[in-house]
Formats: sequence, structure tokens, C-alpha cells
Amino acid sequence: DAMVIQNPRYQVTQFGKPVTLSCSQTLNHNVMYWYQQKSSQAPKLLFHYYDKDFNNEADTPDNFQSRRPNTSFCFLDIRSPGLGDAAMYLCATSRAEVGSYEQYFGPGTRLTVT
Amino acid sequence: AQSVTQLDSQVPVFEEAPVELRCNYSSSVSVYLFWYVQYPNQGLQLLLKYLSGSTLVKGINGFEAEFNKSQTSFHLRKPSVHISDTAEYFCAVSSRNTGNQFYFGTGTSLTVIP
Repeated sequence: DAMVIQNPRYQVTQFGKPVTLSCSQTLNHNVMYWYQQKSSQAPKLLFHYYDKDFNNEADTPDNFQSRRPNTSFCFLDIRSPGLGDAAMYLCATSRAEVGSYEQYFGPGTRLTVT
Repeated sequence: AQSVTQLDSQVPVFEEAPVELRCNYSSSVSVYLFWYVQYPNQGLQLLLKYLSGSTLVKGINGFEAEFNKSQTSFHLRKPSVHISDTAEYFCAVSSRNTGNQFYFGTGTSLTVIP
């Protein structure tokens, strides 16, 4: 089945230690998104890629970076995680075509910062 | 920018009773409306969507929603809930003006009581 895959599902890192979360998709969608979701809150968009074009949200901290080496993979790098970065991180994809606005979500990676 | 309001943060309901989860959005032309469900420690799964056409939309798991343009609402309903429907429900909006960007509501936690 075509899907969005996130690895790992659970990640523990130490305060200040860089961490990378990964997302892959078999849907061949050209748009990929990273969301941060804290407990009992809605997902908050961090950034998205439209093909290779990177679009950063204005309030996304510089501590968060992203890479998209090819259509299928996208990475979220947190350069120096703080305790406030503990959250669920969701990857999503969509097709950038008129009438295809649905986003497909992965299962998420729950990040714990110790 | 769009805004989405989910009026009820928590909804307890007895098993086999009907339920309605409310969603209102700020007025805009050509909106696209979505309901997603999120089970604990999982990603978001699409329940249903309204892009155009019939205002009554049927989704998975027996859910339906009605698009009401004059009231800018997209309430989610189910005539008889099951224990397995206990989850967080998010309403989301996008539009031609915002391209692929979603605006999420703050979520409604549905608890089905045996």
C-alpha cells in the first residue's frame, strides 16, 4: 500500500544533542510537510517542500532545519533540542494539483528530550 | 488567513448514542474542508472531505458531515458511536488562496462511555 512512513516512532535525545527524524513516502507526492504537535494541541506547521522549494513558516525557530534529498525522503533536523521541543512530529504529503488538497499523514515520531 | 474554531474541546457520549462535533471556519471563497481522526500516539487519518458538490459528505466509520456555507460550518455527526470512536478529532480548512496549506482547529476529544 502507498503510504507515509516515519522512523523512528519514538526517539529519546539529550538536551542539546542534535537529532534527526526521517520521513519517506511511496505516494510520489510533490509536497511534503513537517508539523509539530504538543499534547492536546493541533498540529503546527513548521515548514514544507514544494518539490525542491523550501518554505519556512515565519515563527519556526532556527533550531529546526529540514532536508529533502529526493522526492521520497524528507528529514527534520533539530540542532540543539530543548525541553520545549518534546512533542509529536508529524510528516505529511500532498499533491499540488487543483482538486487534490488532501494531506496524507505518517504515524508520527514522539520525541522525548531528557 | 483562515481560522478554524472547534467549539467543544471535550465531548463525552454514551455508547450507541448520537454525536455531533462542531466546526466553524472564517469566511472565504472556495474552501475545502476536512475532518481527521487521531488515535493515541498515531498520525492523523482522514475521515471525510468536502471539495465541492453535495453538501452532505459521507466518510469512513459511519461518520458524515454537512457543509453549510451561510453558517460557515462543517459539523461532524455519527448516529451511533462505538467505544472504538474514542479519539481526538480535528477539523481543517484549506482554500485556493492558501494552496496546500491547512488550517487546523484545536481539536475535540471524543470519549465514548460504555
